[in-house]
Amino acid sequence: KQEVTQIPAALSVPEGENLVLNCSFTDSAIYNLQWFRQDPGKGLTSLLLIQSSQREQTSGRLNASLDKSSGRSTLYIAASQPGDSATYLCAVEAGYSTLTFGKGTMLLVSP
Amino acid sequence: DTAVSQTPKYLVTQMGNDKSIKCEQNLGHDTMYWYKQDSKKFLKIMFSYNNKELIINETVPNRFSPKSPDKAHLNLHINSLELGDSAVYFCASGPFEGRQFFGPGTRLTVL
Repeated sequence: KQEVTQIPAALSVPEGENLVLNCSFTDSAIYNLQWFRQDPGKGLTSLLLIQSSQREQTSGRLNASLDKSSGRSTLYIAASQPGDSATYLCAVEAGYSTLTFGKGTMLLVSP
Repeated sequence: DTAVSQTPKYLVTQMGNDKSIKCEQNLGHDTMYWYKQDSKKFLKIMFSYNNKELIINETVPNRFSPKSPDKAHLNLHINSLELGDSAVYFCASGPFEGRQFFGPGTRLTVL
Protein backbone atom coordinates (compact mmCIF):
# COMPACT_ATOMS: atom_id res chain seq x y z
CA LYS A 1 0.00 0.00 0.00
CA GLN A 2 1.41 3.37 -1.04
CA GLU A 3 2.27 5.76 1.78
CA VAL A 4 3.31 9.37 1.31
CA THR A 5 5.20 11.30 3.99
CA GLN A 6 5.92 15.01 4.01
CA ILE A 7 8.60 16.66 6.08
CA PRO A 8 8.49 19.06 7.82
CA ALA A 9 4.89 19.18 8.98
CA ALA A 10 5.21 22.93 9.49
CA LEU A 11 7.73 25.55 8.49
CA SER A 12 8.06 29.22 9.34
CA VAL A 13 10.51 31.43 7.43
CA PRO A 14 11.13 35.14 6.93
CA GLU A 15 10.28 36.66 3.58
CA GLY A 16 12.95 36.27 0.92
CA GLU A 17 14.32 32.93 2.03
CA ASN A 18 14.69 30.00 -0.32
CA LEU A 19 13.14 26.83 1.07
CA VAL A 20 12.72 23.14 0.38
CA LEU A 21 9.75 20.94 1.15
CA ASN A 22 10.26 17.19 1.17
CA CYS A 23 8.03 14.32 0.09
CA SER A 24 8.77 10.61 0.21
CA PHE A 25 6.72 7.64 -0.99
CA THR A 26 7.05 3.94 -0.28
CA ASP A 27 6.22 2.38 -3.67
CA SER A 28 8.32 3.65 -6.58
CA ALA A 29 5.91 2.27 -9.19
CA ILE A 30 4.20 5.59 -9.87
CA TYR A 31 2.85 7.28 -12.98
CA ASN A 32 3.35 10.82 -11.77
CA LEU A 33 3.76 13.03 -8.73
CA GLN A 34 1.81 16.23 -8.17
CA TRP A 35 2.31 19.18 -5.85
CA PHE A 36 -0.67 21.24 -4.70
CA ARG A 37 -1.20 24.19 -2.41
CA GLN A 38 -4.22 24.59 -0.19
CA ASP A 39 -5.18 27.90 1.36
CA PRO A 40 -7.27 27.84 4.56
CA GLY A 41 -10.90 27.02 3.82
CA LYS A 42 -10.22 26.62 0.12
CA GLY A 43 -9.77 23.89 -2.43
CA LEU A 44 -6.48 22.63 -3.80
CA THR A 45 -4.56 24.43 -6.50
CA SER A 46 -2.38 22.30 -8.77
CA LEU A 47 1.19 23.63 -8.85
CA LEU A 48 3.29 21.10 -10.72
CA LEU A 49 3.02 17.61 -12.16
CA ILE A 50 6.11 15.50 -12.78
CA GLN A 51 5.72 12.43 -14.95
CA SER A 52 7.57 9.32 -13.77
CA SER A 53 10.01 9.65 -16.68
CA GLN A 54 10.91 13.25 -15.75
CA ARG A 55 13.42 14.51 -13.21
CA GLU A 56 12.04 17.98 -12.58
CA GLN A 57 9.48 20.61 -13.47
CA THR A 58 9.61 24.37 -13.03
CA SER A 59 6.94 27.01 -12.79
CA GLY A 60 8.03 30.54 -11.92
CA ARG A 61 9.71 30.48 -8.49
CA LEU A 62 8.77 26.82 -7.97
CA ASN A 63 10.92 23.87 -8.90
CA ALA A 64 9.96 20.28 -8.18
CA SER A 65 12.33 17.35 -8.53
CA LEU A 66 11.61 13.64 -8.60
CA ASP A 67 13.89 10.71 -7.78
CA LYS A 68 11.60 7.79 -8.42
CA SER A 69 14.10 5.08 -7.53
CA SER A 70 14.63 6.46 -4.05
CA GLY A 71 11.00 7.46 -3.60
CA ARG A 72 11.65 11.15 -3.06
CA SER A 73 10.51 14.52 -4.36
CA THR A 74 11.37 18.04 -3.30
CA LEU A 75 9.59 21.31 -3.90
CA TYR A 76 11.94 24.27 -3.97
CA ILE A 77 10.48 27.75 -3.49
CA ALA A 78 12.79 30.61 -4.35
CA ALA A 79 12.61 34.05 -2.75
CA SER A 80 9.59 33.21 -0.60
CA GLN A 81 6.80 35.78 -0.17
CA PRO A 82 4.00 36.13 2.40
CA GLY A 83 1.56 35.11 -0.35
CA ASP A 84 3.25 31.71 -0.46
CA SER A 85 1.83 30.95 3.00
CA ALA A 86 -0.37 27.88 2.61
CA THR A 87 -0.34 24.13 3.10
CA TYR A 88 1.61 22.30 0.41
CA LEU A 89 0.49 18.80 -0.46
CA CYS A 90 2.38 16.12 -2.33
CA ALA A 91 0.43 13.35 -4.08
CA VAL A 92 1.53 10.32 -6.10
CA GLU A 93 -0.45 8.50 -8.73
CA ALA A 94 0.14 4.77 -8.95
CA GLY A 95 -2.45 3.93 -11.58
CA TYR A 96 -6.15 4.26 -12.39
CA SER A 97 -5.78 8.01 -11.96
CA THR A 98 -5.85 7.64 -8.17
CA LEU A 99 -3.84 10.05 -6.04
CA THR A 100 -2.40 9.18 -2.64
CA PHE A 101 -1.73 12.31 -0.62
CA GLY A 102 0.71 13.18 2.11
CA LYS A 103 -0.47 15.11 5.15
CA GLY A 104 1.07 18.33 3.92
CA THR A 105 3.56 20.94 5.03
CA MET A 106 2.06 24.10 6.51
CA LEU A 107 4.21 27.03 5.40
CA LEU A 108 4.19 30.47 6.99
CA VAL A 109 6.23 33.23 5.38
CA SER A 110 6.46 36.30 7.57
CA PRO A 111 7.05 39.81 6.22
CA ASP B 1 -15.10 31.01 -15.58
CA THR B 2 -15.38 28.52 -12.74
CA ALA B 3 -13.55 25.33 -13.69
CA VAL B 4 -14.82 22.88 -11.06
CA SER B 5 -17.83 23.95 -9.01
CA GLN B 6 -19.59 22.30 -6.12
CA THR B 7 -22.89 22.96 -4.40
CA PRO B 8 -23.60 23.53 -1.65
CA LYS B 9 -20.51 25.05 -0.05
CA TYR B 10 -21.80 24.28 3.44
CA LEU B 11 -24.20 21.55 4.53
CA VAL B 12 -25.44 21.12 8.09
CA THR B 13 -27.80 18.25 8.77
CA GLN B 14 -29.02 15.80 11.37
CA MET B 15 -27.88 12.21 11.78
CA GLY B 16 -29.92 9.80 9.74
CA ASN B 17 -30.78 12.27 6.96
CA ASP B 18 -29.99 11.77 3.28
CA LYS B 19 -28.13 14.52 1.40
CA SER B 20 -26.55 15.16 -1.97
CA ILE B 21 -23.59 17.21 -3.15
CA LYS B 22 -23.35 18.28 -6.77
CA CYS B 23 -20.24 18.80 -8.86
CA GLU B 24 -19.79 20.22 -12.33
CA GLN B 25 -16.69 20.82 -14.43
CA ASN B 26 -16.41 22.87 -17.62
CA LEU B 27 -12.89 21.79 -18.53
CA GLY B 28 -13.87 18.99 -20.86
CA HIS B 29 -12.12 16.38 -18.72
CA ASP B 30 -12.90 12.68 -18.99
CA THR B 31 -12.26 11.83 -15.34
CA MET B 32 -13.91 13.10 -12.18
CA TYR B 33 -13.28 12.29 -8.54
CA TRP B 34 -14.60 12.63 -5.03
CA TYR B 35 -12.17 13.10 -2.16
CA LYS B 36 -12.77 13.35 1.58
CA GLN B 37 -10.67 15.58 3.83
CA ASP B 38 -11.08 14.66 7.48
CA SER B 39 -10.72 16.80 10.58
CA LYS B 40 -6.96 16.22 10.57
CA LYS B 41 -6.83 17.60 7.03
CA PHE B 42 -5.90 14.24 5.54
CA LEU B 43 -7.18 13.93 1.97
CA LYS B 44 -8.28 10.54 0.66
CA ILE B 45 -9.80 9.37 -2.63
CA MET B 46 -13.34 8.01 -2.45
CA PHE B 47 -14.44 7.51 -6.06
CA SER B 48 -13.11 7.98 -9.55
CA TYR B 49 -15.19 8.08 -12.73
CA ASN B 50 -13.84 7.95 -16.27
CA ASN B 51 -16.27 8.70 -19.11
CA LYS B 52 -19.19 8.18 -16.72
CA GLU B 53 -17.92 4.75 -15.69
CA LEU B 54 -16.84 4.01 -12.11
CA ILE B 55 -13.19 2.99 -12.10
CA ILE B 56 -12.20 3.36 -8.47
CA ASN B 57 -14.27 2.77 -5.37
CA GLU B 58 -12.05 2.91 -2.34
CA THR B 59 -13.23 1.44 0.93
CA VAL B 60 -16.25 3.65 1.30
CA PRO B 61 -19.52 2.61 3.01
CA ASN B 62 -22.26 1.79 0.54
CA ARG B 63 -24.27 4.64 2.07
CA PHE B 64 -22.22 6.77 -0.32
CA SER B 65 -23.37 6.54 -3.93
CA PRO B 66 -21.83 8.57 -6.72
CA LYS B 67 -23.79 9.28 -9.88
CA SER B 68 -22.47 10.64 -13.14
CA PRO B 69 -25.29 11.69 -15.49
CA ASP B 70 -22.77 12.94 -18.04
CA LYS B 71 -19.04 13.59 -18.31
CA ALA B 72 -19.35 17.09 -16.87
CA HIS B 73 -21.19 16.11 -13.68
CA LEU B 74 -20.47 13.84 -10.74
CA ASN B 75 -22.86 13.98 -7.83
CA LEU B 76 -22.46 12.35 -4.43
CA HIS B 77 -25.47 11.06 -2.53
CA ILE B 78 -25.14 10.05 1.10
CA ASN B 79 -27.79 8.01 2.89
CA SER B 80 -28.34 7.73 6.64
CA LEU B 81 -25.71 10.29 7.57
CA GLU B 82 -23.51 9.55 10.58
CA LEU B 83 -21.42 11.82 12.81
CA GLY B 84 -18.25 10.39 11.29
CA ASP B 85 -19.28 11.62 7.86
CA SER B 86 -18.54 15.18 8.94
CA ALA B 87 -15.69 16.36 6.72
CA VAL B 88 -14.90 18.49 3.71
CA TYR B 89 -15.72 16.77 0.43
CA PHE B 90 -13.82 17.81 -2.68
CA CYS B 91 -14.71 17.12 -6.25
CA ALA B 92 -11.92 17.13 -8.84
CA SER B 93 -11.51 16.54 -12.54
CA GLY B 94 -8.67 15.94 -14.96
CA PRO B 95 -7.51 13.99 -17.96
CA PHE B 96 -7.02 10.31 -17.12
CA GLU B 97 -3.73 9.94 -15.19
CA GLY B 98 -3.05 13.65 -15.54
CA ARG B 99 -3.14 16.86 -13.58
CA GLN B 100 -6.17 17.15 -11.31
CA PHE B 101 -8.19 20.30 -10.72
CA PHE B 102 -10.16 20.64 -7.52
CA GLY B 103 -13.40 22.32 -6.62
CA PRO B 104 -13.74 24.62 -3.59
CA GLY B 105 -15.08 21.88 -1.33
CA THR B 106 -18.31 21.21 0.56
CA ARG B 107 -18.09 21.30 4.34
CA LEU B 108 -20.52 18.73 5.71
CA THR B 109 -21.45 18.87 9.38
CA VAL B 110 -23.60 16.10 10.82
CA LEU B 111 -25.21 16.92 14.17
